[in-house]
Amino acid sequence: NAGVTQTPKFQVLKTGQSMTLQCAQDMNHNSMYWYRQDPGMGLRLIYYSASEGTTDKGEVPNGYNVSRLNKREFSLRLESAAPSQTSVYFCASRVFQGNTGELFFGEGSRLTVL
Amino acid sequence: DQQVKQNSPSLSVQEGRISILNCDYTNSMFDYFLWYKKYPAEGPTFLISISSIKDKNEDGRFTVFLNKSAKHLSLHIVPSQPGDSAVYFCAASYTNAGKSTFGDGTTLTVKP
Repeated sequence: NAGVTQTPKFQVLKTGQSMTLQCAQDMNHNSMYWYRQDPGMGLRLIYYSASEGTTDKGEVPNGYNVSRLNKREFSLRLESAAPSQTSVYFCASRVFQGNTGELFFGEGSRLTVL
Repeated sequence: DQQVKQNSPSLSVQEGRISILNCDYTNSMFDYFLWYKKYPAEGPTFLISISSIKDKNEDGRFTVFLNKSAKHLSLHIVPSQPGDSAVYFCAASYTNAGKSTFGDGTTLTVKP
């Protein structure tokens, strides 16, 4: 049982390049999330998708776009990467948006922007 | 304005002793609190949670206490084991919002 799978696990970009982080979950969860974690800081919500077909901004959405491709997949795109976007990115899922239960996280994607 | 605060970046305890990790929050609408554990190069994993209608929840060696009047919760680990060495995140949410707000984490080191 894979849970939440993120690709790639590591990526180095130059300023101005674009890339997409992929996330897939096999738990039949309705809600999916993208967080970033910077050194010494907690997880900050970038975007989330309460259900298939919907997406909403979180705390730090600037510079990112998302696509909920289907119930399983939720991708995060950086159109023009900046050094400030160097971070570890975590995708997570939850049974449904209104549920206060636990989030299930992927292993993370470490992004460096030079 | 940080709504969930973990004021101790790090904590070191001896194996077999109690570890107490603290968390404060400011938003009185929060009604559900969770603790996550994170090892290096892995994603956070759920540890234990508590609803605001309770003041204590226990799961094996882990107990979470909630003091609503003080807007404070704590995680107790007894006895602490070297395998408990990790970063612990406190998170808070409120019913029907779904989004969780995280603290900055406390790095726990349990020395053999």
